[in-house]
Amino acid sequence: DTGVSQDPRHKITKRGQNVTFRCDPISEHNRLYWYRQTLGQGPEFLTYFQNEAQLEKSRLLSDRFSAERPKGSFSTLEIQRTEQGDSAMYLCASSRLQGWTEAFFGQGTRLTVV
Amino acid sequence: KQEVTQIPAALSVPEGENLVLNCSFTDSAIYNLQWFRQDPGKGLTSLLLIQSSQREQTSGRLNASLDKSSGRSTLYIAASQPGDSATYLCAVARYNNNDMRFGAGTRLTVKP
Repeated sequence: DTGVSQDPRHKITKRGQNVTFRCDPISEHNRLYWYRQTLGQGPEFLTYFQNEAQLEKSRLLSDRFSAERPKGSFSTLEIQRTEQGDSAMYLCASSRLQGWTEAFFGQGTRLTVV
Repeated sequence: KQEVTQIPAALSVPEGENLVLNCSFTDSAIYNLQWFRQDPGKGLTSLLLIQSSQREQTSGRLNASLDKSSGRSTLYIAASQPGDSATYLCAVARYNNNDMRFGAGTRLTVKP
């Protein structure tokens, strides 16, 4: 098991373009989380999946953001009509549903909107 | 709403010192608390998880304690090394563990 994997590691896009990020969690983990982190701040919660169900979304997740986890395995986060304020590190994490619920993070996707 | 605060925001120490990082949270109804390390431009590495029923956890030179009633956790690093230089983040999860709230982190520099 190689841990949580995120792709791409870096993305530079022009304002107004759509971008999609992928996260592959640890295989036996039911829970998957997306976070956003800006420079000098801690990660902020965006959304959470339990298996394929999206159970919670933050108010930070505007209608330009959409996340899916179609088969309860990998997840995608899409940002439509990107804005400069979307520039941040997007982090994915996964954990077990019960028992030892330690969360493990991927290396993140650094988005720069120019 | 859960608020998580980490003090100090930055800390610089000479190699070999023992040090304590602090994390406080406003809502004591937590499921667990987790400490992470983050190197510049990288993701988060889990260091220690403390379940709400536990008082402390240890891993190598690291010891984390939890006092739910006072809303505090500390991360103790023994015999610090330059390789410990990083940002340390604490995160608390609500009782059903469906999200984690993070502090802004403590940026640690250990000087050789």
